[in-house]
Amino acid sequence: DAEITQSPRHKITETGRQVTLACHQTWNHNNMFWYRQDLGHGLRLIHYSYGVQDTNKGEVSDGYSVSRSNTEDLPLTLESAASSQTSVYFCASSESTSPSTDTQYFGPGTRLTVL
Amino acid sequence: LAKTTQPISMDSYEGQEVNITCSHNNIATNDYITWYQQFPSQGPRFIIQGYKTKVTNEVASLFIPADRKSSTLSLPRVSLSDTAVYYCLVGDKKIGGGADGLTFGKGTHLIIQP
Repeated sequence: DAEITQSPRHKITETGRQVTLACHQTWNHNNMFWYRQDLGHGLRLIHYSYGVQDTNKGEVSDGYSVSRSNTEDLPLTLESAASSQTSVYFCASSESTSPSTDTQYFGPGTRLTVL
Repeated sequence: LAKTTQPISMDSYEGQEVNITCSHNNIATNDYITWYQQFPSQGPRFIIQGYKTKVTNEVASLFIPADRKSSTLSLPRVSLSDTAVYYCLVGDKKIGGGADGLTFGKGTHLIIQP
């Protein structure tokens, strides 16, 4: 069955280190998204991509970067991890070209702690 | 931006019908209304989507008035397993076309008691 996976599921790192969170989907969806979820803020969009070589900034993109070299993967990189980036990170993908009408399929999440 | 407003939390009992209302006064003409459900330690899961009037699936119903400035998610005969956070979303659009992705608010914490 098609699915979307994230790795690692849990990660502890130190301030200033570079961290990369992986997201892999087997639906062949064009659209992929990264969100972070913090208590009191719900889900906030970090970056998104509508296809290979396409990336866009979301609401809270500072300190994060993504690259899309193939359809299946959208890794999220924290260039220099900060304690404020301690959060749960969710990756999602969708098929439609219109986010107003598409259904997003979410991964299981990665819990990141920055000490 | 088409932002949404939902109650922070709601309580109900098993077997009852639960209605969660979402306000989206600035919804754009081409925007659809979508609801997601999220259990603890899991990613959100699509429940239902609609544009106007009423939509029903095996899980829920969605009622949208003619002005589309609000919507109501209706969960029939809830059970303990319906305890979750429910998010109401509308699509955001850039001026001139394209999209910025979906905006999730803080959601409604629904607690079902025995």
